[in-house]
Amino acid sequence: EPEVTQTPSHQVTQMGQEVILRCVPISNHLYFYWYRQILGQKVEFLVSFYNNEISEKSEIFDDQFSVERPDGSNFTLKIRSTKLEDSAMYFCASSRQGGQPQHFGDGTRLSIL
Amino acid sequence: DAKTTQPTSMDCAEGRAANLPCNHSTISGNEYVYWYRQIHSQGPQYIIHGLKNNETNEMASLIITEDRKSSTLILPHATLRDTAVYYCIVRASGGQLTFGSGTQLTVLP
Repeated sequence: EPEVTQTPSHQVTQMGQEVILRCVPISNHLYFYWYRQILGQKVEFLVSFYNNEISEKSEIFDDQFSVERPDGSNFTLKIRSTKLEDSAMYFCASSRQGGQPQHFGDGTRLSIL
Repeated sequence: DAKTTQPTSMDCAEGRAANLPCNHSTISGNEYVYWYRQIHSQGPQYIIHGLKNNETNEMASLIITEDRKSSTLILPHATLRDTAVYYCIVRASGGQLTFGSGTQLTVLP
């Protein structure tokens, strides 16, 4: 069964550094999402992306965050200058259409030191 | 999106059916009921969704009451690998998923 893959599985970064999290969505999916989960807390929506544009974003997704689909297969989340509070699991998801179920990857654990 | 209410935790004996309830009394006519689960710290896994009819797939069944104000996810023969946090989410046709705290289901041997 096709799946969403995320790399790396664990990223350790110094505070203030830039980090890029990578995702390969399911191949025929058109809608892409990033969520995060701080340890012990709920899964939170960050951003959705369709047709090379952000379609929706949360208050968490401020100017430090950006998303890109640099080619036909990858979908990336960049955090420009990381803070300690950015430490979390980051999940990528994709869906074939906007109203169809979202399928999640297993996440990248981001640890900011 | 409508708010949902789920029990914090439930236990189920291995091999028995697990019935997970969800209340969504403020659901709108165009909102679907979705169920996801999260095993340990893995990514949420889609289970099933429905609008008003009962649905069944290879993982589970979803029973939605006639007034659509509540639903039940049924895992017909729970195994130890079904131990997870189960999320009931109500949303309109597109957009973000809003996760609550879910129900921690523990399947006991």
